[in-house]
Amino acid sequence: EAGVAQSPRYKIIEKRQSVAFWCNPISGHATLYWYQQILGQGPKLLIQFQNNGVVDDSQLPKDRFSAERLKGVDSTLKIQPAKLEDSAVYLCASSLGGKESPLHFGNGTRLTVT
Amino acid sequence: AQSVSQHNHHVILSEAASLELGCNYSYGGTVNLFWYVQYPGQHLQLLLKYFSGDPLVKGIKGFEAEFIKSKFSFNLRKPSVQWSDTAEYFCAVTYGGSYIPTFGRGTSLIVHP
Repeated sequence: EAGVAQSPRYKIIEKRQSVAFWCNPISGHATLYWYQQILGQGPKLLIQFQNNGVVDDSQLPKDRFSAERLKGVDSTLKIQPAKLEDSAVYLCASSLGGKESPLHFGNGTRLTVT
Repeated sequence: AQSVSQHNHHVILSEAASLELGCNYSYGGTVNLFWYVQYPGQHLQLLLKYFSGDPLVKGIKGFEAEFIKSKFSFNLRKPSVQWSDTAEYFCAVTYGGSYIPTFGRGTSLIVHP
């Protein structure tokens, strides 16, 4: 099966600029996650979707981050405006759903904010 | 907030050495436990998982992990590592009815040939 696709792989922007990341989950996976992984730390959940609805966005900095999954398939994560501390790898993952379903991760997008 | 601790941040071993990576979590209720691995240049992938039953679970590539409820631990082991095991290893836990994994900070393993 095709894996989780993410683009771009790398992005360098200046602070206060905006950026968007795209994710295409594994076909049939209803649950989609966006994680932020700062260097030297484990992945931290930003938002979880079940189909096109938000399940948990409690750790999403909503003043600058937004995410959508309009048709319940692809998803985009946007940062506007970016700050230096947003430099991280942004990981998208999908699963069939349910607590026993493992996550399938994409390769991530490495964001550098200068 | 629930937390996951991985105390070994960097581990360097020679081939054929035995491996044990520690993972502790902070929740006293029902948990599901995972180890994920990220090989250089690749995406995170599942190594093994525990939901219930036998507390000793076996995963891919000869890895195993033991759930010790009284110690809130889920340590990863391998009796003899190979150079190809060089990777970043992440412990993850889901708590209670949630199915959102909380990840530890990871352990970087380097195996010298």
